[in-house]
Amino acid sequence: KAGVTQTPRYLIKTRGQQVTLSCSPISGHRSVSWYQQTPGQGLQFLFEYFSETQRNKGNFPGRFSGRQFSNSRSEMNVSTLELGDSALYLCASSLLRGGNTEAFFGQGTRLTVV
Amino acid sequence: GQQLNQSPQSMFIQEGEDVSMNCTSSSIFNTWLWYKQEPGEGPVLLIALYKAGELTSNGRLTAQFGITRKDSFLNISASIPSDVGIYFCAGRANTNAGKSTFGDGTTLTVKP
Repeated sequence: KAGVTQTPRYLIKTRGQQVTLSCSPISGHRSVSWYQQTPGQGLQFLFEYFSETQRNKGNFPGRFSGRQFSNSRSEMNVSTLELGDSALYLCASSLLRGGNTEAFFGQGTRLTVV
Repeated sequence: GQQLNQSPQSMFIQEGEDVSMNCTSSSIFNTWLWYKQEPGEGPVLLIALYKAGELTSNGRLTAQFGITRKDSFLNISASIPSDVGIYFCAGRANTNAGKSTFGDGTTLTVKP
């Protein structure tokens, strides 16, 4: 069974640009969550999608957005990039929202803003 | 908001030694999770705990869900070089699998 796949693995963007990251969950998983990981702030929850609807949102500005498609694949978008957006962006998928179902992470997308 | 304090921040140990790390929270969690992350990879789930007082093992790893539901610990016995990595605790306040609060991690170095 394939794991969570994130593309691209590495990305370099310029300040002010926008970026779209992609996440393909484990087959059959319907919940996708996004996290930002930086040395200074650790792992911070961005948002969660389930059945194409955003169910939870972390404390990030509106420049960070996402969506989920009918096949459960998810994308996150960051507009007007800032230097501080440089981070490892991790996607995690889980089978369901409730119960004892755990989230499995992808390898992440390393975003560098210059 | 919810905060997790994970300690120690880093550990340098000799191969064969036992390791212990813990997390405490300012609020109650219904689920505690322990992950390991290696360079260039995403976190990998090691152990999940669902009930207060629960003690669960996964090979040489043992974790416990504190009775107060505000803390958890992870023990690694007889460490080996491949145990090197960053260990994160994470807590969930409800049964939502999608949103977890993470500790800052414990960086483990094992000297052969």
